[in-house]
Amino acid sequence: KAGVTQTPRYLIKTRGQQVTLSCSPISGHRSVSWYQQTPGQGLQFLFEYFSETQRNKGNFPGRFSGRQFSNSRSEMNVSTLELGDSALYLCASSLEGFTTSGANVLTFGAGSRLTVL
Amino acid sequence: AQKVTQAQTEISVVEKEDVTLDCVYETRDTTYYLFWYKQPPSGELVFLIRRNSFDEQNEISGRYSWNFQKSTSSFNFTITASQVVDSAVYFCALSGPYSSASKIIFGSGTRLSIRP
Repeated sequence: KAGVTQTPRYLIKTRGQQVTLSCSPISGHRSVSWYQQTPGQGLQFLFEYFSETQRNKGNFPGRFSGRQFSNSRSEMNVSTLELGDSALYLCASSLEGFTTSGANVLTFGAGSRLTVL
Repeated sequence: AQKVTQAQTEISVVEKEDVTLDCVYETRDTTYYLFWYKQPPSGELVFLIRRNSFDEQNEISGRYSWNFQKSTSSFNFTITASQVVDSAVYFCALSGPYSSASKIIFGSGTRLSIRP
């Protein structure tokens, strides 16, 4: 069974540009979440989507946006890039978004490493 | 408030040594879940274990073992006879009873280097 696929794996942008990252979850998984990982801040939650609806959003500016499609694939977009947006962006999928049996196990992709010059 | 502390930022040991990664958590929930994830150089976080707060039994999986102690709010991870392939960043995480991905609290991670 294929894992979580993120594209592109590496990209370099300049300040002011915008970027779109893609995530294909494990087949059957309806929940997709995004994280930003930087050396200084660790893993920070960006968004969570379930059945095309954004369920939760982390404490990030409006330049960060995302969406989920009917096939559960998700994209995130960062507009007007800043140097501080350089990070590894990780996508994770899980079977359900919200559960009363504790958090689902997340399956992560390998990430998209964004460098902003 | 929930919090996960991994005080060890980096650990370096020689191959075949045993190594323990510490994880201390804070929560007011009586039902909660603890996780360990491994992040190898390839980038993806790999799930290792999930333990609920009512199950204090220690767990062993091959060279890996986990020691859950509610009395000290700790969920430590030990690798026995470490190997170079164990080199990675390890994250401890905590979630409450009614959770989604947004509610998972990750520790800051411990970078483990195994020297040949």
